[in-house]
Amino acid sequence: DGGITQSPKYLFRKEGQNVTLSCEQNLNHDAMYWYRQDPGQGLRLIYYSQIVNDFQKGDIAEGYSVSREKKESFPLTVTSAQKNPTAFYLCASRPSGLSYNEQFFGPGTRLTVL
Amino acid sequence: AQSVSQHNHHVILSEAASLELGCNYSYGGTVNLFWYVQYPGQHLQLLLKYFSGDPLVKGIKGFEAEFIKSKFSFNLRKPSVQWSDTAEYFCAVNANSGYSTLTFGKGTMLLVSP
Repeated sequence: DGGITQSPKYLFRKEGQNVTLSCEQNLNHDAMYWYRQDPGQGLRLIYYSQIVNDFQKGDIAEGYSVSREKKESFPLTVTSAQKNPTAFYLCASRPSGLSYNEQFFGPGTRLTVL
Repeated sequence: AQSVSQHNHHVILSEAASLELGCNYSYGGTVNLFWYVQYPGQHLQLLLKYFSGDPLVKGIKGFEAEFIKSKFSFNLRKPSVQWSDTAEYFCAVNANSGYSTLTFGKGTMLLVSP
């Protein structure tokens, strides 16, 4: 089955701890994205990567970091510098080339910081 | 920078009523337009998209949308909604160039009562 997996589905952390969210895809897509979804705010772009070993900040990158060492994987670290980390995090991927290629989304990880 | 405005945050309809969800965008150049849907507990998935040609596009589950360039709008319509259409709907836009990112609206939560 081709798709995007995110783990875990629910994650709880204490304030001040860094936490890494996993995103893996087997769709052979070049581009990968991380979004944050908050009620009434829609999806806001955190980071994206068009190719391995390269990534760019999105609209709300502060307090987050990413890596793209493999085409299939794009982990997101929520650092202690993120002021309001409790949210639903969505990972997406898309084939490169045509700008109207759709993004495919994973099931999301709900992070709660206590 | 591009932006997307969805007119209604919450819409409540009875089954068989007609649906129209508003979406306006701001961007000076050529765009691609998307409607995504998030059913309760499910992945975000594509309903339909416009990138060129006929401005009236048809998507899955009987949805359609019309691109009106002069009004910078891409409204979503369905003639007769069903209880199973209860979901959150997101409009999104990107510039018609290879590496552009998606900008999402804040979403419209649709509740269809049986």
